[in-house]
Amino acid sequence: SQQGEEDPQALSIQEGENATMNCSYKTSINNLQWYRQNSGRGLVHLILIRSNEREKHSGRLRVTLDTSKKSSSLLITASRAADTASYFCATEGEGGSEKLVFGKGTKLTVNP
Amino acid sequence: KAGVTQTPRYLIKTRGQQVTLSCSPISGHRSVSWYQQTPGQGLQFLFEYFSETQRNKGNFPGRFSGRQFSNSRSEMNVSTLELGDSALYLCASSWGPKLAGSYEQYFGPGTRLTVT
Repeated sequence: SQQGEEDPQALSIQEGENATMNCSYKTSINNLQWYRQNSGRGLVHLILIRSNEREKHSGRLRVTLDTSKKSSSLLITASRAADTASYFCATEGEGGSEKLVFGKGTKLTVNP
Repeated sequence: KAGVTQTPRYLIKTRGQQVTLSCSPISGHRSVSWYQQTPGQGLQFLFEYFSETQRNKGNFPGRFSGRQFSNSRSEMNVSTLELGDSALYLCASSWGPKLAGSYEQYFGPGTRLTVT
């Protein structure tokens, strides 16, 4: 069953613009992770934010986490055509399991 | 350091057949998880192995099984294939287990299975 729900489902922007994707989840989490997937390929880990963190940066990526609202956002600044991909949030529940529960993803298209 | 490798990359099978997919984790990683990705259901967790033991299982029928070897390599098997089993099967490895903190999962390129 899906835990995270990304919003929007699809996003089309111009190169240089910022892209914001949101993720909402249902249950308590240990951490939340964002992944990128280029068409039909494996997932690339972007960033992990723990439940006791509120914001995290990595290069052009900025992730926020609001556990009271059970939501997270991924901001990609100064987007490039190479950022075109699907972006997924995945939540890791409390406890020792490695299981990740993924949302259905946001398909981002960055037009040159 | 080499990444997660999955073999084969593409596979075409007929309904009723069985298939075995292989995953070699990153050197030193001891935990392997499997996921199924389809356009309709998205990414769904299949199972997780650590030290040759299945630690967690997703909501899939018994036709889906897996195992992990002493070198941490893992295989998953699907018996009596159905058309709906057509999917991208992804394997992920991590250092595991998460006794303290969390470990990022590193995904392989996937095996694209087509059932005709």
